[in-house]
Amino acid sequence: AQRVTQPEKLLSVFKGAPVELKCNYSYSGSPELFWYVQYSRQRLQLLLRHISRESIKGFTADLNKGETSFHLKKPFAQEEDSAMYYCALPIGGADGLTFGKGTHLIIQP
Amino acid sequence: NAGVTQTPKFQVLKTGQSMTLQCAQDMNHEYMSWYRQDPGMGLRLIHYSVGAGITDQGEVPNGYNVSRSTTEDFPLRLLSAAPSQTSVYFCASSGNRGNQPQHFGDGTRLSIL
Repeated sequence: AQRVTQPEKLLSVFKGAPVELKCNYSYSGSPELFWYVQYSRQRLQLLLRHISRESIKGFTADLNKGETSFHLKKPFAQEEDSAMYYCALPIGGADGLTFGKGTHLIIQP
Repeated sequence: NAGVTQTPKFQVLKTGQSMTLQCAQDMNHEYMSWYRQDPGMGLRLIHYSVGAGITDQGEVPNGYNVSRSTTEDFPLRLLSAAPSQTSVYFCASSGNRGNQPQHFGDGTRLSIL
């Protein structure tokens, strides 16, 4: 079954430091992977998807099929990056997404 | 545009009561879905719809009913609420399919005593 693992429940880094939020997945076939973000008092929103290969708000994520990972990275963290981050991929058996448990990122000043 | 609108934002029910969570979208999206999020867990798909008159089960459909009579609305019904259904419920829509980027509502926080 498709599964998404985000091993860190909480990640705290200082402003200006690099950030890496980990996401590992299990999926049969070529998955499309997503990162969603929820800022305080805002709704869950798409941050980026691997197929677009974009950099959004300074974040990038590379799909590593060998390691089955899709880690989210940013070279220099900013305080406004503090939020909950969720990695997601298609369920497979139903038309929807399966989400990881999320990582709470806190950027300290 | 309001996007995806969920009502109510909060609700407390007693075990055995029934309730309908409302979801409406103004983006003319064919695909709509319901997820639940329990503490410390990721979102899990309850039911989804790929268009008016078409619904299907997700990962955790038991205890919930849905219908889709219009493109805009996708209500979620709890026929006989149970404490295990205490959760935050999110409605989402997409102009494509469920395995594509989703637009989410603000969520409904439901407590069942």
